[in-house]
Amino acid sequence: KNEVEQSPQNLTAQEGEFITINCSYSVGISALHWLQQHPGGGIVSLFMLSSGKKKHGRLIATINIQEKHSSLHITASHPRDSAVYICAVRQEETSGSRLTFGEGTQLTVNP
Amino acid sequence: NAGVTQTPKFRVLKTGQSMTLLCAQDMNHEYMYWYRQDPGMGLRLIHYSVGEGTTAKGEVPDGYNVSRLKKQNFLLGLESAAPSQTSVYFCASKDETHTEAFFGQGTRLTVV
Repeated sequence: KNEVEQSPQNLTAQEGEFITINCSYSVGISALHWLQQHPGGGIVSLFMLSSGKKKHGRLIATINIQEKHSSLHITASHPRDSAVYICAVRQEETSGSRLTFGEGTQLTVNP
Repeated sequence: NAGVTQTPKFRVLKTGQSMTLLCAQDMNHEYMYWYRQDPGMGLRLIHYSVGEGTTAKGEVPDGYNVSRLKKQNFLLGLESAAPSQTSVYFCASKDETHTEAFFGQGTRLTVV
């Protein structure tokens, strides 16, 4: 079992829909990251969370430390949101601030 | 600022050939990382560095070597390429505090 599990693996939505991507982890963490990867492109950081909730534009990320679970929400989705969304955790007591990654969720938003 | 720059972006190697991937960052970050990304798997850490002159092994270090002679550069070497090393390679950097990591655009390597 992976230390970081994402669901769903693939998600197709219609433009305007509310989208939720989930991330569960099985280890103690000091921080959780949400990343975005566009086709053929690099990876960009969306959020870093250690507690509570963060919002940036139409993106909202939440984390529940007790339940070891985080969600990424996209409101009013748009075709340009189509990308792979990756959850990554920084484990406690890890040298070099290393991250452990989930497999990613492929999101396709159709017009 | 260019951020994190990887060179080259694409490469095809024959089995047994060697090559070096260069990662350069202009943010004065202490920590640098090399990952590989394969279909159906999350990013996996190959090697990392917590400062100039230091390197350490990650999850999948076999077949790779690294060097960090200058703080801004982290080199990943393949001494004798194998088809199993066909992958997309990403470099990342971050500073010492608990902040976000910055990633390069990736290098697509094919070993035939």
